[in-house]
Amino acid sequence: AQKVTQAQTEISVVEKEDVTLDCVYETRDTTYYLFWYKQPPSGELVFLIRRNSFDEQNEISGRYSWNFQKSTSSFNFTITASQVVDSAVYFCALESYNTDKLIFGTGTRLQVFP
Amino acid sequence: DTGVSQNPRHKITKRGQNVTFRCDPISEHNRLYWYRQTLGQGPEFLTYFQNEAQLEKSRLLSDRFSAERPKGSFSTLEIQRTEQGDSAMYLCASSEGGGNYGYTFGSGTRLTVV
Repeated sequence: AQKVTQAQTEISVVEKEDVTLDCVYETRDTTYYLFWYKQPPSGELVFLIRRNSFDEQNEISGRYSWNFQKSTSSFNFTITASQVVDSAVYFCALESYNTDKLIFGTGTRLQVFP
Repeated sequence: DTGVSQNPRHKITKRGQNVTFRCDPISEHNRLYWYRQTLGQGPEFLTYFQNEAQLEKSRLLSDRFSAERPKGSFSTLEIQRTEQGDSAMYLCASSEGGGNYGYTFGSGTRLTVV
């Protein structure tokens, strides 16, 4: 069975704090993709990152960074120096190779206060 | 290209009525997906098309739901005899080829059944 767990339902921080959003996944497949999406109040899902299971390199993009660890089946997302505009619901998702189907976690609502 | 477009953005309907939503994918994307998102949950896969062929349907897609993509371009999702449990955000996504290429989501259609 495939599953994505985002244990943090809601996180509140003050601007400029760093925050890490956790994602733990389950799959028996050896080839899969992991994604993070941002969903602002307007509703659209905004793509942030895609990783395949063979690439465990951490990635940094501006204030965003991702830590992929196959040993713990985790794909965590860190926002450095958070800003009010980062307030949104963030979803982690898993797709097994060639299934054309994303399995989403339940999301983490991030609120950044000024 | 303006991305994935969904219409209408919002729909309020009385229980028992039929509703139809439209999705216009990115023009060069041959795959189109429908997801449903209920309050506080992550999106759940409903169905997907490769060109005009509907390749997979979730068990979530009851007999009252039907999706089409007649010419391999836009798609429609129809719900017949709506029920209050159908109230949700219906999201459409398109892709050049699944997980390896990533997915672009539309802004969704929010359905409220009263």
